[in-house]
Amino acid sequence: NAGVTQTPKFRVLKTGQSMTLLCAQDMNHEYMYWYRQDPGMGLRLIHYSVGEGTTAKGEVPDGYNVSRLKKQNFLLGLESAAPSQTSVYFCASSPSRGGLSDEQFFGPGTRLTVL
Amino acid sequence: AQSVAQPEDQVNVAEGNPLTVKCTYSVSGNPYLFWYVQYPNRGLQFLLKYITGDNLVKGSYGFEAEFNKSQTSFHLKKPSALVSDSALYFCAVREFKAYSGAGSYQLTFGKGTKLSVIP
Repeated sequence: NAGVTQTPKFRVLKTGQSMTLLCAQDMNHEYMYWYRQDPGMGLRLIHYSVGEGTTAKGEVPDGYNVSRLKKQNFLLGLESAAPSQTSVYFCASSPSRGGLSDEQFFGPGTRLTVL
Repeated sequence: AQSVAQPEDQVNVAEGNPLTVKCTYSVSGNPYLFWYVQYPNRGLQFLLKYITGDNLVKGSYGFEAEFNKSQTSFHLKKPSALVSDSALYFCAVREFKAYSGAGSYQLTFGKGTKLSVIP
């Protein structure tokens, strides 16, 4: 199993450009999440999904959109990138068998710089 | 609302000595508590969790954590530190309301504690 994979690993954007980050998991997990990690701030939840075709806002959703058209994929979009979105982005997934008690499995991250 | 605090930005410990990384939490219902570790340029890896039952939880790589409801704490411990334990450690909480089965999908993370084990 590859676990949780993220593409790309690195990206540099100019202000106003758009891009999509792809997260894929091969563990048949129901729940998927997108976080951003900034120095001294821990991880903050951007959006999450509890199943194919469903998404919900997390703590810091502004400026981002997501889609979960297939169970194994969770896409994070930036329509018009801003320097404040410079961060490391992590995708995670978890099964639903234990509900909220299940741990999350994280991808390796995408380092995004917006100039 | 749920929150978690890691009061120490950095912890230094000599190799072979016991280590403790502190975490306190706040929830309105019952807590699900987690510890994750992050090595440089890597994603987070799960170490251990407290759901219910025994207050002392054992996890990966010899780590353990003690749940203390009265002090709302969930400190991470290891009897003998290794240089390879040097990493960034995150505590996380998710609240759960036992009477209704409802809870928060959101996992709230602390800001992280950098552990340095000195040879």
